Amino acid sequence: GESVGLHLPTLSVQEGDNSIINCAYSNSASDYFIWYKQESGKGPQFIIDIRSNMDKRQGQRVTVLLNKTVKHLSLQIAATQPGDSAVYFCAEPPMEYGNKLVFGAGTILRVKS
Amino acid sequence: DTEVTQTPKHLVMGMTNKKSLKCEQHMGHRAMYWYKQKAKKPPELMFVYSYEKLSINESVPSRFSPECPNSSLLNLHLHALQPEDSALYLCASSQDGRGWTFGSGTRLTVV
Repeated sequence: GESVGLHLPTLSVQEGDNSIINCAYSNSASDYFIWYKQESGKGPQFIIDIRSNMDKRQGQRVTVLLNKTVKHLSLQIAATQPGDSAVYFCAEPPMEYGNKLVFGAGTILRVKS
Repeated sequence: DTEVTQTPKHLVMGMTNKKSLKCEQHMGHRAMYWYKQKAKKPPELMFVYSYEKLSINESVPSRFSPECPNSSLLNLHLHALQPEDSALYLCASSQDGRGWTFGSGTRLTVV
């Protein structure tokens, strides 16, 4: 079936460095993607989203890049801080209303001080 | 109000108990969801309610029974659970396939 997956299960970065978290998807018809951050004991928190008519979208310290040719998206976090330590999921909302949100496997980001 | 509120935050129950998880949102979202999440895994869909009707049941065992009393409330009734059902149970809501919002979850331990 269709799926969204991640390349790296764990990423350790030094505080102040930039982080890049990758995600691959398999449904070429997908038109919308979301990145979530999940801290320990909490629910997934929306970070940023991107539509398929865009290649890049920037937020506060975060940038999402979408490469439709290879069905790949990435989340870049600038000047990574200890508070960025969490699990990051890419997710693919359904094309039909009321259908399920498909999550990727997740990447654990650890920020070393 | 832009939140999904889940209660209780923590629940410990025996295998013969009956308990309920509750979820509430006042964003006017007409789709509500129950997800189950094990440690270091992504959330897995259990049920979807669309306009207060059950639209998706991902082959969940009958010891989990969802209920949607109105457009703002979603319950998950639990009965005769097994220790392997221990997990974080997440509620979410959305509108028109957008605006996905998750609650903080209920940490369930079955003893």
